[in-house]
Amino acid sequence: QVQLQQSGPGLVKPSQTLSLTCAISGDSVSSDSAAWSWIRQSPWRGLEWLGRTYYRSRWYNDYATSVKSRIMISADTSKNHLSLQMNSVTPEDTAVYYCVLGGIAVAGTYNWFDPWGQGTLVTVSS
Amino acid sequence: QSALTQPASVSGSPGQSITISCTGTSSDVGSYNLVSWYQQHPGKAPKVMIYEGNKRPSGVSNRFSGSKSGNTASLTISGLQAEDEADYYCCSYAGGGTWVFGGGTKLTVL
Repeated sequence: QVQLQQSGPGLVKPSQTLSLTCAISGDSVSSDSAAWSWIRQSPWRGLEWLGRTYYRSRWYNDYATSVKSRIMISADTSKNHLSLQMNSVTPEDTAVYYCVLGGIAVAGTYNWFDPWGQGTLVTVSS
Repeated sequence: QSALTQPASVSGSPGQSITISCTGTSSDVGSYNLVSWYQQHPGKAPKVMIYEGNKRPSGVSNRFSGSKSGNTASLTISGLQAEDEADYYCCSYAGGGTWVFGGGTKLTVL
């Protein structure tokens, strides 16, 4: 059973970089069938898929157009961790951020999002 | 990648059936059989209820069912129970490795 444990600061200043990590247990971040996504939720934007990473002989990344220029998702295989970095944050980036297993667009495998991490409320404020 | 359109709220009495719609475009819902539905209770993370349009994960009640017609997907909950009161979100693959969610629907069990 996959479990995701998130960590990272809950307060980030405007224009700075948001950094979160997600410790994975029960599966490998470099699994050749899984994908790992970051999703955020705010009252004004609802649920918003931010991006994904997955390993198929090499690493692949895809990002939402809305954040593509500011975001990086990476994996640390030695720690079995997933990371999210988003730079130049503004108050509009205030949200609960989730790391999630899923996001592969293939029938029969991981084309859904489950399980979810516990969520991290990140507030962007000076 | 515009958000999928869901009604803001729906309601029903215990035992009744309700349907939540999720309208996208020919670039997302209409093009792929990769719509999933999520239930979220206050303060909790979303939980998948339906995937690939009409499939239920193990452990999800058969009172939950999904369907699709053209650019619109639907979630039907039959035999409404008090515990079904929650927010519901649809999600679809949108091509190019990206995914899009609906704005969410608040279900009230009267």
